Parts: sequence; C-alpha cells; structure tokens
Amino acid sequence: ETGVTQSPTHLIKTRGQQVTLRCSSQSGHNTVSWYQQALGQGPQFIFQYYREEENGRGNFPPRFSGLQFPNYSSELNVNALELDDSALYLCASSVGLAGGETQYFGPGTRLLVL
Amino acid sequence: RKEVEQDPGPFNVPEGATVAFNCTYSNSASQSFFWYRQDCRKEPKLLMSVYSSGNEDGRFTAQLNRASQYISLLIRDSKLSDSATYLCVVNRNTGNQFYFGTGTSLTVIP
Repeated sequence: ETGVTQSPTHLIKTRGQQVTLRCSSQSGHNTVSWYQQALGQGPQFIFQYYREEENGRGNFPPRFSGLQFPNYSSELNVNALELDDSALYLCASSVGLAGGETQYFGPGTRLLVL
Repeated sequence: RKEVEQDPGPFNVPEGATVAFNCTYSNSASQSFFWYRQDCRKEPKLLMSVYSSGNEDGRFTAQLNRASQYISLLIRDSKLSDSATYLCVVNRNTGNQFYFGTGTSLTVIP
C-alpha cells in the first residue's frame, strides 16, 4: 500500500450540489496532486498543492477548488456539480516539486452525479 | 494534440507471449517518464521509471527515444497477473505535473 488515503470511497450527488473530497498524503510527503479519471480515460491533472499553496492547475473551471493543510492533507471541492463530473477522483502524494519524483496514488473517490 | 498518446488496445495475448506497448509525447520539454499499471477499479501504481539509457526490471523493459519522443514497454513471458491497463506518463521538470495517456489494456489469456 502507498500510505495515501482518500475519503469517502464512493459518493452519489445530484446536479448543482457541492462535494468535498479528502486526501491524506504519505508520511514525509509535502505535495499533493489531484486528478480526475473519467471512464476509459487516463487521469487528468486538476491541480497541485505544495506546502499549502496551489502550484499549477490543469484545464478545469474555477468551481474546482482545493486546500492543503499544515499536515499536508488536502481537500478537493467541486461546486455546482454537473453530470460530466462523474468520475474517479485520485489524489497523489510526492516529495517536493522536482520533476521525476514518483507520485503515489490513493485508492480514489468514485463520484456519481445524477 | 494530446500531450501523451497511446494505443488503447485491447491487447489479448496468450500466457508466455511477449507484448510491446508504445507511447508518444508531444512536448519536447518533457523530462521524466514512467509506466504505471492500473488494475480494474483500482488506483494507478508505479511499474517503472523510464531512463534515457533504457532500463529493465525482471520481465519488463522500458525504452525512451527522445529524438522521436517515443516511449515503449516490453513485457516478456506474460503472466495472467499482468492483465491490467498500462498508463504512459510524462512530466516536465517544473511542478511535477503528470500527463497521462489513455492507457493500453492488456489481457493475458490462459
């Protein structure tokens, strides 16, 4: 196991609602990245947090927001949910920002928007 | 154009076969390369990093061709347990953002 945990494991919401997903990084890791994986696709980068600051963002609208806490755990918030937000949401932890650092993934949260 | 492109397959091969997956990337600034494995309904797990000189880990061999912006993964003596989706991943050295391909599906048949 990677030591990265996510909660909840599954979630069902309706359009227009808001959702908060949580991630605890591996011990010693100060960087958390969030990805969205739609069915049959590879994970797509949402954003990354390093030492509580956002460091890089993918092509996702502002209704996707996040936080990182002093213990390096992180939250992903999605407002005004749309049907297309249904996906597996993965967080990955790593050390620092240098390229080449392996990212370790949590088990993901499966979100279904009805 | 997608940052990373892979043949999605599926690849269906008999046990003991050798199978190769290819991946191309579009950004020449990409500096680090990986293969991840993802089992059905599970998270991606690191299979191996890919180095310029090529590298081998048991039955798995990864190659990188920077000039052609091409990465490959070779699996020899396929086992049933190799059945999974193989994700090609690249990143640039700034920010460590990962770019994933869509994945290549492999099923090893008894």
